[in-house]
Amino acid sequence: SAVISQKPSRDICQRGTSLTIQCQVDSQVTMMFWYRQQPGQSLTLIATANQGSEATYESGFVIDKFPISRPNLTFSTLTVSNMSPEDSSIYLCSAWTGLPDTQYFGPGTRLTVL
Amino acid sequence: AQKITQTQPGMFVQEKEAVTLDCTYDTSDPSYGLFWYKQPSSGEMIFLIYQGSYDQQNATEGRYSLNFQKARKSANLVISASQLGDSAMYFCAMRPMNTGFQKLVFGTGTRLLVSP
Repeated sequence: SAVISQKPSRDICQRGTSLTIQCQVDSQVTMMFWYRQQPGQSLTLIATANQGSEATYESGFVIDKFPISRPNLTFSTLTVSNMSPEDSSIYLCSAWTGLPDTQYFGPGTRLTVL
Repeated sequence: AQKITQTQPGMFVQEKEAVTLDCTYDTSDPSYGLFWYKQPSSGEMIFLIYQGSYDQQNATEGRYSLNFQKARKSANLVISASQLGDSAMYFCAMRPMNTGFQKLVFGTGTRLLVSP
């Protein structure tokens, strides 16, 4: 299994500012992911973060709005840029362990934008 | 394209009883994995159980079991002896596994409430 931690756990931000969320995994993993969960909704994949290469973004998400870093096999960051109230969501970091084929999630970052 | 359907927005169960949460899926991939996650009000996603499409037996993990019916494309989660702490959102998810790594697709979730 993998233990994933995220910082911050929650934040309240002003419109137009940016927030960087950190994700730390307790073991080396090949693939890390960032998800968004809007209030009352299911999870939506923002991007896949691969070490040593640029993140792969899903349709509807762009690098300028959600820049991602993956400097090594245990750490990644997601920045939510130029925030608006529509960005208020839970942001979840996830890692795929390979064997067994299981994907674990961090505790999430609950973001409120005023 | 893959799709997961959870038709029960909410379920109620009494403590110590068993409950089944429904999940059907649609995929043309011959090899795939099915997952169930629990999300309490705190927001974290807790991995519960995994079933591979070629696994001969239904997966079990403690009080959780997966009723996998491949022909019907269903992967229902059975929770036995419900506890108050089981109250949470439950998400079914699927990932094809035949052509490299593909993303996990989630259903809309079922909110389970366990009453004393």
